[in-house]
Amino acid sequence: NAGVTQTPKFRVLKTGQSMTLLCAQDMNHEYMYWYRQDPGMGLRLIHYSVGEGTTAKGEVPDGYNVSRLKKQNFLLGLESAAPSQTSVYFCASSALGGAQEQYFGPGTRLTVT
Amino acid sequence: RKEVEQDPGPFNVPEGATVAFNCTYSNSASQSFFWYRQDCRKEPKLLMSVYSSGNEDGRFTAQLNRASQYISLLIRDSKLSDSATYLCVVMPLSGGYQKVTFGIGTKLQVIP
Repeated sequence: NAGVTQTPKFRVLKTGQSMTLLCAQDMNHEYMYWYRQDPGMGLRLIHYSVGEGTTAKGEVPDGYNVSRLKKQNFLLGLESAAPSQTSVYFCASSALGGAQEQYFGPGTRLTVT
Repeated sequence: RKEVEQDPGPFNVPEGATVAFNCTYSNSASQSFFWYRQDCRKEPKLLMSVYSSGNEDGRFTAQLNRASQYISLLIRDSKLSDSATYLCVVMPLSGGYQKVTFGIGTKLQVIP
């Protein structure tokens, strides 16, 4: 099993450009999450999903949109990238919510110039 | 006060030493606690859950102090391979996924 995979691994965008980050998991997990990690700050939840076809806002959702059309995939979109969105983005999944282990993907390093 | 606070370190310790990290949390309703390990430029991975009675996994011991609202991680006989950043994670009892809170992490460097 590949676990949780993310594409791309690295990306450089110019301000105003758009892009989609793809997360895929092969563990049949119901819950999926998108986090961003910045120096001096803990992982912060952007959006999450508790099942196929559902999404919800996390702590820092502004400037991002998500979709979960298939159970195994969770997409994160940036419609108009800003330098403040320069970060490392991690996708995670868990079998259930609450006190369940989260499995993380390898991350996407995004730079917005 | 931040919801979850950790000393970012780095903690520089010699091989074989014992080292302990604390993580304080502000929400007394928090019910689930974890330690994750994150290697440099890698993703976080679960190290261990923290149970009310304390728990041990090999050289690692996790403890919870509800009265003072902190959790701790003790590493005995430190190995070079223990060098990493240790994240504490605090969750509510049920639902409220948006309230899952990660600490900034404590960096450990084990020196030969």
